[in-house]
Amino acid sequence: KNEVEQSPQNLTAQEGEFITINCSYSVGISALHWLQQHPGGGIVSLFMLSSGKKKHGRLIATINIQEKHSSLHITASHPRDSAVYICAVKPYGGSQGNLIFGKGTKLSVKP
Amino acid sequence: KAGVTQTPRYLIKTRGQQVTLSCSPISGHRSVSWYQQTPGQGLQFLFEYFSETQRNKGNFPGRFSGRQFSNSRSEMNVSTLELGDSALYLCASSLRGTQGHEQFFGPGTRLTVL
Repeated sequence: KNEVEQSPQNLTAQEGEFITINCSYSVGISALHWLQQHPGGGIVSLFMLSSGKKKHGRLIATINIQEKHSSLHITASHPRDSAVYICAVKPYGGSQGNLIFGKGTKLSVKP
Repeated sequence: KAGVTQTPRYLIKTRGQQVTLSCSPISGHRSVSWYQQTPGQGLQFLFEYFSETQRNKGNFPGRFSGRQFSNSRSEMNVSTLELGDSALYLCASSLRGTQGHEQFFGPGTRLTVL
């Protein structure tokens, strides 16, 4: 069993829809990252969370440390949101770069 | 402020050769981490450097090595290349490499081993 599980693996949505991507992990962590990767490979860090909720524009990320679960929400989705979204956790005691990654969720938003 | 840069962006090598990849972090960032991304395994942590010292290493064979220079630029080296080393190699920098600091990723180097 992977230490970081994401669901769904693939997601197709219509423009304007509300989207949720889930991440569950099995190790104790000190931080969780949500990353966005566009075709071509470049990765952008969207959020780094250790508790609660963060919001940036149309993106919202939440984390429940007790349940070892995080969600990434996209409101009013747009075709430019099409990308792979990756959840990554930093285990307790690890250094900043020592991350464990989920397999990613491929999102396609149709106009 | 310039972002994280990686050179070269694309590389083709043959089995048995060695390769060196370079990463220049954002100015002022002292921590550089390296990751390998393959279709089968996804993203995996290779190693992390902070102030010229390796702080952590992932589960990769000794053929994978790295170093960091006094200006925080980092290189990684893969010797005796195997077909399975074909991957996108990403580096990321952060301010101090301690808890609470966001990581900024470079565009990656795509290595193809023939």
